[in-house]
Amino acid sequence: DSGVTQTPKHLITATGQRVTLRCSPRSGDLSVYWYQQSLDQGLQFLIQYYNGEERAKGNILERFSAQQFPDLHSELNLSSLELGDSALYFCASSLYDRNTEAFFGQGTRLTVV
Amino acid sequence: TQLLEQSPQFLSIQEGENLTVYCNSSSVFSSLQWYRQEPGEGPVLLVTVVTGGEVKKLKRLTFQFGDARKDSSLHITAAQPGDTGLYLCAGADQTGANNLFFGTGTRLTVIP
Repeated sequence: DSGVTQTPKHLITATGQRVTLRCSPRSGDLSVYWYQQSLDQGLQFLIQYYNGEERAKGNILERFSAQQFPDLHSELNLSSLELGDSALYFCASSLYDRNTEAFFGQGTRLTVV
Repeated sequence: TQLLEQSPQFLSIQEGENLTVYCNSSSVFSSLQWYRQEPGEGPVLLVTVVTGGEVKKLKRLTFQFGDARKDSSLHITAAQPGDTGLYLCAGADQTGANNLFFGTGTRLTVIP
């Protein structure tokens, strides 16, 4: 158990809908990272928050957004969903700003039908 | 986007055999990490290497960071079925960005 909690574990939704994925980092960790893992793209970095502020952006679509709340949990919002958004979405956390040792949650499997 | 190529992509071996997985890039990384991911789970960090030429051992696993910090290898001695999984290398960007660039992955199957 990495100490990172993601909910829900599975999510099935229709195209065009909006979903929110939630992540609670390990106790004491200030950084939260979101990754998307699909069969053809591998693990892709989406976005990082550190202590409530956006710190780095990767290949995140404009339809996607995220935030980190004062209690350090984070949410990833995916809107106008398309079939191609079906993937595993992972959250990772680390103590510091730099991603030197990240601990991953179990992921949310999103299926868009 | 930094690209990390892993080879081989798939590897199926008998229990007790040795194997090496390679992770190569044309980019320099400030550090490199190796993860193992099992089905339905998130990647689990195995090791972080920071210094060029660094070698770290974790029981039967030996990790090496290339001298130029562009490549790395993972060697497993006397593989066991419990070693089965997806092995991912990930490089930390040297430019100051905070994202990890993940490799393409090596799916290892150890047959009893």
